[in-house]
Amino acid sequence: DTGVSQNPRHKITKRGQNVTFRCDPISEHNRLYWYRQTLGQGPEFLTYFQNEAQLEKSRLLSDRFSAERPKGSFSTLEIQRTEQGDSAMYLCASSLPDLNTEAFFGQGTRLTVV
Amino acid sequence: AQKVTQAQTEISVVEKEDVTLDCVYETRDTTYYLFWYKQPPSGELVFLIRRNSFDEQNEISGRYSWNFQKSTSSFNFTITASQVVDSAVYFCALSEAGNTPLVFGKGTRLSVIA
Repeated sequence: DTGVSQNPRHKITKRGQNVTFRCDPISEHNRLYWYRQTLGQGPEFLTYFQNEAQLEKSRLLSDRFSAERPKGSFSTLEIQRTEQGDSAMYLCASSLPDLNTEAFFGQGTRLTVV
Repeated sequence: AQKVTQAQTEISVVEKEDVTLDCVYETRDTTYYLFWYKQPPSGELVFLIRRNSFDEQNEISGRYSWNFQKSTSSFNFTITASQVVDSAVYFCALSEAGNTPLVFGKGTRLSVIA
């Protein structure tokens, strides 16, 4: 296993379309996190999972955002009815469940809404 | 509420110079964890170090060193004899006890010029 994998790496979509991103964590990692990063800013936490359970979703930016991790392995992040303000880098990270252990990040999916 | 401040937006140094990146944090917890990540142009966040709030001993790893001072709520990062490959954006992050997700600063862009 070479690390956290995210697909696609780049996505260009028209405003109003739905998009879905996939994240495959490091295989033995139970925790999976989604972050958003805009230009010149640090990553902003969106949501996270412990196995298939979504432990925090109040930080999702709006009800257009949703995430799933149905079998406790890979996860998807969906944005419905995209807006230009959704243009950003979406980062996935995974970690072991040990207390405050470090998270390992994927290379991200860069979304451009035109 | 937890917060991380990286006051230096951009730093430019000549190769072989030493450089210190500042990080100031805010938290109400007595138990917390501090991290540094590197984000090279490829975009993937690379973990550098984790330090818990009960361990104020400074750490050195090769050309990298970290100075943790609880009295000033700072966790500064020094690169000795900088190299061009050190050019990246560096993020400081905080996680409170209970395995809360990371809160990142806005990052410091370091440019090392040959």
